[in-house]
Amino acid sequence: EIVMTQSPATLSVSPGERATLSCRASQSVSSHLAWYQQKPGQAPRLLVYGASARATDIPARFSGSGSGTEFTLTISRLQSEDFAVYYCQQYNDWPLTFGGGTKVEIK
Amino acid sequence: EVQLVESGGGLVQEGGSLRLSCAASGFTFRTHNMNWVRQAPGKGLEWISYISSDTTTMYYADSVKGRFTISRDNAKNSLYLQMNSLRAEDTGVYYCARDYDRIWNWFDSWGQGTLVTVSS
Repeated sequence: EIVMTQSPATLSVSPGERATLSCRASQSVSSHLAWYQQKPGQAPRLLVYGASARATDIPARFSGSGSGTEFTLTISRLQSEDFAVYYCQQYNDWPLTFGGGTKVEIK
Repeated sequence: EVQLVESGGGLVQEGGSLRLSCAASGFTFRTHNMNWVRQAPGKGLEWISYISSDTTTMYYADSVKGRFTISRDNAKNSLYLQMNSLRAEDTGVYYCARDYDRIWNWFDSWGQGTLVTVSS
């Protein structure tokens, strides 16, 4: 099983600042990585797939990068609606696995 | 508009069974692979099962293998999860999620979830 490790667990950021979230895979997943955002009481929402392709209607301030085992989700100029939990997910091999999540909170 | 609506959750005793349903609308259900993903209270996301669009392929997480069965009825635009021998650790919100791509498995649409509570 491919283990996905996200860091940090919690990120405190002021509105308007940049947030950088990391995701590491225990073995290469090529570019088969997705990012999701989840707000309290809501279902997750797809942000990025293929490591760097933004999903439909996702603002340009969200950008994904990386390949192999190291991936990054960057949120430039955080807005109030961006404070949430973010998960990475690999789909290179079965079982599909998620990282433990990074909570982005208001500083 | 793509819609996925789960139902069938509830309170059940350990060792009991439940059948979850997911009603799909707003897209051609029979052409999409589908999944179940769950989330224990206050915890992260866990993929638990996949079924191909034509029902020929299913996968399960080790945590549910042998106890849960995924199925679908393309004529009824519905996805199902039969859960047997339920354990306290199966408690959580269960989401159905659609694969966007025919080959690769990222989830572009999710239902609102249905809560399963297993009492010990």
